[in-house]
Amino acid sequence: QVQLQQSGAELVKPGSSVKMSCKASGYTFTSYYIYWIKQRPGQGLEWIGRIGPGSGDTNYNEKFKGKATFTVDKSSSTAYMQLSSLTPEDTAVYYCARDGYTPLGYVMDAWGQGASVTVSS
Amino acid sequence: DVVLTQTPVSLLISLGGQASISCRSSQSLVHSNGNTYLHWYLQKPGQSPQLLIYQVSNRFSGIPDRFSGSGSGTDFTLKISRVEPEDLGVYYCLQRTHNPYTFGAGTKLELK
Repeated sequence: QVQLQQSGAELVKPGSSVKMSCKASGYTFTSYYIYWIKQRPGQGLEWIGRIGPGSGDTNYNEKFKGKATFTVDKSSSTAYMQLSSLTPEDTAVYYCARDGYTPLGYVMDAWGQGASVTVSS
Repeated sequence: DVVLTQTPVSLLISLGGQASISCRSSQSLVHSNGNTYLHWYLQKPGQSPQLLIYQVSNRFSGIPDRFSGSGSGTDFTLKISRVEPEDLGVYYCLQRTHNPYTFGAGTKLELK
């Protein structure tokens, strides 16, 4: 079955960077976009952007340009997101999700378990 | 950005009861291709969101017919009939018609 396994929790200092991973299994990694979504503590969901693992094509929410960078390693079916110049506002759980196919179009149909990032000195 | 306004913020429902959640958009969600990319997700406590309904009214694989979606343009509704304990959590609408994609703020379904 489709699974997305994310890396573990991180405690990082303000001004630093963090890189998290999302390892896919159960499907052809290069055939579906991977989306990244942010959820601040006790708050709603925010779309960060997406990457096409086959092409390397990326789309970022304007709000996260310069903050988030997406990459993939096709050999290990793993997507990565790096967040830079971290501030307490970046403290959140970050999810990766697959953009799966339905007869009517694409949907985020499988999600990772989330990766917690805490920015604190 | 498109703003999705969900109401109510929270719902207290008895087991076996019916729940209705509204999602109103600041812009029409009809894409230039004629499709409407409005989806519904449920985030159960301590879990990742799971897809319930896509493109307004289509139940995702494995979702019981107690869940139904309707609406058009800027007004959308998710109905849950015969509420069961596993239905509890926060419901989000998501629009994928306009870039950037945006989520509603969520509606928390709790047991009365």
